[in-house]
Amino acid sequence: GAGVSQSPSNKVTEKGKDVELRCDPISGHTALYWYRQSLGQGLEFLIYFQGNSAPDKSGLPSDRFSAERTGGSVSTLTIQRTQQEDSAVYLCASSLASRGSGYTFGSGTRLTVV
Amino acid sequence: QQQVKQSPQSLIVQKGGIPIINCAYENTAFDYFPWYQQFPGKGPALLIAIRPDVSEKKEGRFTISFNKSAKQFSLHIMDSQPGDSATYFCAATDSWGKFQFGAGTQVVVTP
Repeated sequence: GAGVSQSPSNKVTEKGKDVELRCDPISGHTALYWYRQSLGQGLEFLIYFQGNSAPDKSGLPSDRFSAERTGGSVSTLTIQRTQQEDSAVYLCASSLASRGSGYTFGSGTRLTVV
Repeated sequence: QQQVKQSPQSLIVQKGGIPIINCAYENTAFDYFPWYQQFPGKGPALLIAIRPDVSEKKEGRFTISFNKSAKQFSLHIMDSQPGDSATYFCAATDSWGKFQFGAGTQVVVTP
């Protein structure tokens, strides 16, 4: 597609429920990133996929968070047993992962845990 | 620890003023330094980027100044307009790796 597409744009869930957030990167972009942005805060790195390499999961805050990327394209971020502190905007970005290529971000999924 | 330090956290300027945002880094392997602009409810968008082989780059009213020896770079917004009100993030990467983002600067341009 023309840009990075994320769905849903908004998600309200009850504490303790599992949620799945989806990211459709730009076609041909081999690298995909997930970030979390709390209200008025910066960008917190979560996970990074590059081609067929093992993902860099160093930013995942707990084992309740996981992500997969199927067929080198679409990615799903799963949060199990959601907590109120998980409330944030979850941003996905993709890039060509070549020297000098910037990230293209999606508009994010606003997750609210009540 | 934060690999890219950004300041100030916020700033307010009048229309026509020149907001300046500063970033500093330690990793000398970094060789690509982009700036992102984020409006409320939107994802960050690439604004302008620079490589360390040049000391300045201009795109429209946006200028990056780069000081390799000091390991610092800054964004200047010339003739700022209310529509420039946004959060700005600096970043750095060593080409193949993931970006290290600064904490962000909220810029408000008053009419």
